[in-house]
Parts: sequence; structure tokens; C-alpha cells
Amino acid sequence: QKEVEQDPGPLSVPEGAIVSLNCTYSNSAFQYFMWYRQYSRKGPELLMYTYSSGNKEDGRFTAQVDKSSKYISLFIRDSQPSDSATYLCAMRSPGNTPLVFGKGTRLSVIA
Amino acid sequence: SQTIHQWPATLVQPVGSPLSLECTVEGTSNPNLYWYRQAAGRGLQLLFYSVGIGQISSEVPQNLSASRPQDRQFILSSKKLLLSDSGFYLCAWRGGNPSYEQYFGPGTRLTVT
Repeated sequence: QKEVEQDPGPLSVPEGAIVSLNCTYSNSAFQYFMWYRQYSRKGPELLMYTYSSGNKEDGRFTAQVDKSSKYISLFIRDSQPSDSATYLCAMRSPGNTPLVFGKGTRLSVIA
Repeated sequence: SQTIHQWPATLVQPVGSPLSLECTVEGTSNPNLYWYRQAAGRGLQLLFYSVGIGQISSEVPQNLSASRPQDRQFILSSKKLLLSDSGFYLCAWRGGNPSYEQYFGPGTRLTVT
């Protein structure tokens, strides 16, 4: 079993839809959880950062962490064509440990 | 504010040629630095990371090497490139506190012909 599992998609939704992106993980030591957005031929851009369990909201984006289920989600409300990108989840345990990434979900928002 | 630079942005090199990719970070001190490779259709692969000058940890044995000659400079090198070295190379940094976020540079697209 891989440490972090993420459905690669592609996921195609109409403009204005609510998008749900998810990752599961196996390492119960993970405490820091992140979501990155990567446009084609660009470096990943940090979208959301969450420590431990709970929800975090930033504009149209909401990140959720359920440590009991080892499951994290990113919700995008009122999706826009500019949200079309690959979304990567990432997480790590405490200490000076590297991030472990999912393989990314490719999202297309159709106008 | 902090800024991360990578160069060159794109590179086309023949098989067997040497490689040197450079990454520099501005606006912070003693960052953790990382090199990743992202091959077409594949995820991010961590190649090297460094928690300080001269301290390099290798995640994947291969014909690449990394060096950190200065606090905010990270270099990825190869003596002889292979076709399989083609990909998108990303440098990233994180503050020294383990709770800090990690940020990526713009990347270098390498094509080995």
C-alpha cells in the first residue's frame, strides 16, 4: 500500500460546480497536510495548509482533515475555468521529514 | 518576502553531457532545500534534500548529485546525462521550523536527446 493515494482523474466539471478532491494515507504519524495547485509547465503553488485534524477555509477553498479515517479533502466552491489544473495533496510527520505527495488529480472546469 | 529562483528555465542536452541546475532562495536564512523531479504523467519524486550547508540526503540512487555550497544555494548536477533524466526539475524550500510550509520554484524543463 502506498503511503498516499490520490485518484489521478481526470475530473471534468461544469463551471460553478462544487469540486471535491480527496487523498487517503496510511501513516498515522502524519500531522501536517497541504494542498498544491499546479498549472501546466509551472511549479506547484501552495493552496492550503492544515495542521492535525479539522477544517480550514480560504475563499472558495476548504480543506478538511479526518485523521481517524486517514482521509483529507479539498473542496472548491463555485469552480471557475481558471481552477483547471492538477491538484496535489502532500503530508508529513513531525520533525525534519520530507513531504510525501500524492500523484495529483487533474481537474478541468468547463465554461 | 521570500523568493525562489531556478535556472535555466528550459534545457536541451545530448545524452552523455554534463548537467548543472541552480536554485537560490531570497528572503530567508537556513532554509531546508529540496530537489524533485516530475516525469511526464508521473508524480513528484524527491531526489535530494538539505537541512544545512554541506548536508545532503539522497532519496534515490542514480547518476545525479546535489551540493549546497552556500546557505541559500542548491545545485543539482550530473556528469553524464541519460535519456531517463528528462523531466521537470523542481527546487523547493521550507523554513527551519518543522511546522513551516514548503514552497516550490518555477522549475527547469530538461530534455535529454
